[in-house]
Amino acid sequence: NAGVTQTPKFQVLKTGQSMTLQCAQDMNHEYMSWYRQDPGMGLRLIHYSVGAGITDQGEVPNGYNVSRSTTEDFPLRLLSAAPSQTSVYFCASSYSTRLANTEAFFGQGTRLTVV
Amino acid sequence: SQQGEEDPQALSIQEGENATMNCSYKTSINNLQWYRQNSGRGLVHLILIRSNEREKHSGRLRVTLDTSKKSSSLLITASRAADTASYFCATGGANNLFFGTGTRLTVIP
Repeated sequence: NAGVTQTPKFQVLKTGQSMTLQCAQDMNHEYMSWYRQDPGMGLRLIHYSVGAGITDQGEVPNGYNVSRSTTEDFPLRLLSAAPSQTSVYFCASSYSTRLANTEAFFGQGTRLTVV
Repeated sequence: SQQGEEDPQALSIQEGENATMNCSYKTSINNLQWYRQNSGRGLVHLILIRSNEREKHSGRLRVTLDTSKKSSSLLITASRAADTASYFCATGGANNLFFGTGTRLTVIP
């Protein structure tokens, strides 16, 4: 059982370039999210999805785009990379329940540097 | 803006000692979660405590929750070198968690 898989693990971009960070989960989870982690800032929510075809913005959505065409995949697109987007990006998934919240499962992260 | 804030920011103890870290949050919650992050790795869920619970145990972990003070604590008993990691509290829903800035725990063998 792979859990949450993120690719690539490392990436260097030039300012203005675009790229897509991949995230896939094999647990049939409805919920998927993208976070960024910066030194001293903890994790901040970028975008999230409650199911295929449904996405919404988190705390820091500017400069990022997402789509959710399947339950398994939730790619994050950087439209025009900026140095401020240098960060470690984490994808997470969880299953939903109407009665209680549940734990999130995280991928191993993508370390992105924009020069 | 961050929902939670951990205290202390860094903690260094000897192996075998207990480690206590605290979390304060700002708004009412349904539950609070604690996660561990080893250096350069993803976060791993440790424990979830619901708003109607005051204390919860899992192995060497003990979590308390005081909703009147909007605070929680994580106690790790009989610490091991392998417990060296950053620990985060998180509040919010299943897909939109708000994390604190974390406590960096170092356990010295």
